[in-house]
Amino acid sequence: GEDVEQSLFLSVREGDSSVINCTYTDSSSTYLYWYKQEPGAGLQLLTYIFSNMDMKQDQRLTVLLNKKDKHLSLRIADTQTGDSAIYFCAERRAGGYNKLIFGAGTRLAVHP
Amino acid sequence: NAGVTQTPKFRVLKTGQSMTLLCAQDMNHEYMYWYRQDPGMGLRLIHYSVGEGTTAKGEVPDGYNVSRLKKQNFLLGLESAAPSQTSVYFCASSGRENLYEQYFGPGTRLTVT
Repeated sequence: GEDVEQSLFLSVREGDSSVINCTYTDSSSTYLYWYKQEPGAGLQLLTYIFSNMDMKQDQRLTVLLNKKDKHLSLRIADTQTGDSAIYFCAERRAGGYNKLIFGAGTRLAVHP
Repeated sequence: NAGVTQTPKFRVLKTGQSMTLLCAQDMNHEYMYWYRQDPGMGLRLIHYSVGEGTTAKGEVPDGYNVSRLKKQNFLLGLESAAPSQTSVYFCASSGRENLYEQYFGPGTRLTVT
């Protein structure tokens, strides 16, 4: 099927780590992405991982890819209130126009 | 360098009315996309364009038309609006040399009553 699935809501305490999970369907997907959407704004690319990698780290962000299980995760270390947003997982399907299939988004709430 | 801009930001239409949403990008990108975002769902692709003068259907094209007369602009038209088209509409663009990243506009919130 076409679905990219994510849990809809995550609540964490400020300073803790957040882990947002995603499962995708197409084993031929070349890139997998994490986008962040703040209230009233468009999507902003946070990070991406190529399908032949299993981990990517970028400052407080760590992306893990388990290609066998088609599972992607985003870990945010030392979560801050400014990280409160909706996080979208997306997979890039093979094809010439950069077709992205998005999950429904995970709303991250950070509380003191 | 404004990136991707969209006009208008908000609009309320009555059923049967028509309107055009404008997307503009100043990054000289070849690819442009229109998505809609509905509660509890990911973004769904309506139409896209791989270059000036070309357009193609995405996943949910019914009820919409598009045009790409100039490279920097991508217009989304609703000829006869329906309540099912109440949504937030996002435009995005990407360059041929950097296809892995799509740049998104701030969105247009459309309500059809």
